[in-house]
Amino acid sequence: AQSVTQLDSQVPVFEEAPVELRCNYSSSVSVYLFWYVQYPNQGLQLLLKYLSGSTLVKGINGFEAEFNKSQTSFHLRKPSVHISDTAEYFCAVSPFYGGSQGNLIFGKGTKLSVKP
Amino acid sequence: ETGVTQTPRHLVMGMTNKKSLKCEQHLGHNAMYWYKQSAKKPLELMFVYNFKEQTENNSVPSRFSPECPNSSHLFLHLHTLQPEDSALYLCASSQDLASSGNTIYFGEGSWLTVV
Repeated sequence: AQSVTQLDSQVPVFEEAPVELRCNYSSSVSVYLFWYVQYPNQGLQLLLKYLSGSTLVKGINGFEAEFNKSQTSFHLRKPSVHISDTAEYFCAVSPFYGGSQGNLIFGKGTKLSVKP
Repeated sequence: ETGVTQTPRHLVMGMTNKKSLKCEQHLGHNAMYWYKQSAKKPLELMFVYNFKEQTENNSVPSRFSPECPNSSHLFLHLHTLQPEDSALYLCASSQDLASSGNTIYFGEGSWLTVV
């Protein structure tokens, strides 16, 4: 079975400051890793994903994440945030074939609030 | 903009009502999903369909009944719901199953309130 832990439920930051949203996962099999963003009153939109290869993944809107296998982490970072980045961010994992077919396991989400 | 369209966006229903949520994807995908998002729990997968066939039912109560007439359309039929079923119901699709590393694309959701 897999699980995802997002340690921070809320992260307030000032505009133009850097931000890191933490994500740790637990799995007995190899997984694919995802970050999704949900703006108010909208569905989820993919920010980035890690399938294989370079452990540093770049996504949309200037976000990037680094996969650390030894620490089972996939933290999301942005060097300078904007007001428009205010949203809820979800980390998710999906097991390789052999695991639960079609299942994307989500963390509880982190609400990023960017203040002027 | 989204390639996954959900209707209605908001629904209020009594516990004895029967209603349906509709989802349509315009992306040519083969897999479709229903997720439940409530305030107190992480996003929960409810059902998975692949090429119109249900491949996963995540122990969902029978008062929720999915229907997938073709690869582009997915319904969630609702009957005799409970107030705790009030939540945002998200439809999603992907080219193939998520276990292949495929990106899942979400609709904007249907807000359901059960009174």
